[in-house]
Amino acid sequence: DGGITQSPKYLFRKEGQNVTLSCEQNLNHDAMYWYRQDPGQGLRLIYYSQIVNDFQKGDIAEGYSVSREKKESFPLTVTSAQKNPTAFYLCASSGTSYNEQFFGPGTRLTVL
Amino acid sequence: AQSVTQPDIHITVSEGASLELRCNYSYGATPYLFWYVQSPGQGLQLLLKYFSGDTLVQGIKGFEAEFKRSQSSFNLRKPSVHWSDAAEYFCAVAGNTGKLIFGQGTTLQVKP
Repeated sequence: DGGITQSPKYLFRKEGQNVTLSCEQNLNHDAMYWYRQDPGQGLRLIYYSQIVNDFQKGDIAEGYSVSREKKESFPLTVTSAQKNPTAFYLCASSGTSYNEQFFGPGTRLTVL
Repeated sequence: AQSVTQPDIHITVSEGASLELRCNYSYGATPYLFWYVQSPGQGLQLLLKYFSGDTLVQGIKGFEAEFKRSQSSFNLRKPSVHWSDAAEYFCAVAGNTGKLIFGQGTTLQVKP
C-alpha cells in the first residue's frame, strides 16, 4: 500500500531534550512538508522540501530542524530551543503540479 | 497576500439535515482548491479538489463543492449528514510557491 507513515504516534519528552519525529513515504513524491497543529489554530507550516538535499523554512521554523537525504524520508527534529513543543505534528507529501498533499497519521508530542 | 477564510469555527447540524461549510479565498490567479477532513487524532484526508473545468466538483463520502469565482468562494455541501461526518474540515488553496494555504478549520458536530 502506498502512503505516508509517521512514527511514533505518541511521543513524550523531557524539557531540554531534542527529539526526532519520523516521516516516510513510498509514493515517490518529490515534495514533503511538516506542519504543526494546535487547537483552534489550524495547520502551520514548519519546513518543506521540494527536492532531495534541499529544504526551506515555513512560517514557524524556529526551534526545529530537518534533513532530506533520501526522497522517501523527511525527519523533523524538535530542539530544546522550541519554547512550546507540545502539539500534534503532521507530515505530508506532494507529487503533483497542483500541490495536492497527502497526509500521514500524525505524531502527538508531549513535553513533560 | 494569499489567504483562506472559514467564517464558521463550529457548526452543529442534526443527522439527516443538509450541510454547507463556507470557504472564501484570496488569490490572484486561477486557484487550485481543496477540502480536507480530519477526525480527532488523525491525519487529514482529501475530500475533493478543484483545478479547472466544471465548477461543481464531487468528492468522497457524498460531499460536493462549488467554485464561484465572482464570490471567491468554494463552499462544501452535503445533502444529508451522517453521524460519522462529525470531524474538522479544512479548506485550502495552492499558493504560487508550491505550498498549501489552509483555513482555520470548521468543527462539525452532528446531533442525533
